[in-house]
Amino acid sequence: DVKVTQSSRYLVKRTGEKVFLECVQDMDHENMFWYRQDPGLGLRLIYFSYDVKMKEKGDIPEGYSVSREKKERFSLILESASTNQTSMYLCASSLTRSIGSSPLHFGNGTRLTVT
Amino acid sequence: QKEVEQNSGPLSVPEGAIASLNCTYSDRGSQSFFWYRQYSGKSPELIMFIYSNGDKEDGRFTAQLNKASQYVSLLIRDSQPSDSATYLCAVPPNQGYQKVTFGTGTKLQVIP
Repeated sequence: DVKVTQSSRYLVKRTGEKVFLECVQDMDHENMFWYRQDPGLGLRLIYFSYDVKMKEKGDIPEGYSVSREKKERFSLILESASTNQTSMYLCASSLTRSIGSSPLHFGNGTRLTVT
Repeated sequence: QKEVEQNSGPLSVPEGAIASLNCTYSDRGSQSFFWYRQYSGKSPELIMFIYSNGDKEDGRFTAQLNKASQYVSLLIRDSQPSDSATYLCAVPPNQGYQKVTFGTGTKLQVIP
């Protein structure tokens, strides 16, 4: 089974702090994704990566950056946390770039609270 | 028009009944469709995917795809209280990198 591991289940940070969310997958997947999920808004894509050192903006990249130095690891960085970034953050991976052939596998999520 | 639309519910069905969840999509070129189940406080888990017109069955779950009408549905037979969750429809793009679009989900409640 694919395993996607997020480093923290719960995080509480203060406004203005730099926050790192880490995600590791163990199945040699090409693609990795960061989503946030908020009530009534569903899953919104922040960034994704289709290869090491490659990244693409999703629908809501403002206030976030990402890093993918190794194939198995994809980090989400909140440069200066704000209260409107309080959310559930979900990391996902998928096997190939082939359209339609590769579903997303999600980690357990990190519930971030910014006070 | 949203790219992927689902009725948010809640959809309430009695235990043992058939639950029918629907999803419409706007990209006529979409080729594949995924259904995820998400329990409260948990992350989404893949339960079904479908590529071809018609029905695909897996245990108590049946996915139905109608590309001409641009909708995909999920039927759950013999619904159980453990099926109570939010069901997300996901549609990958027809081309380009895999930027999957998710619906906002339908909340299903199975009443014992």
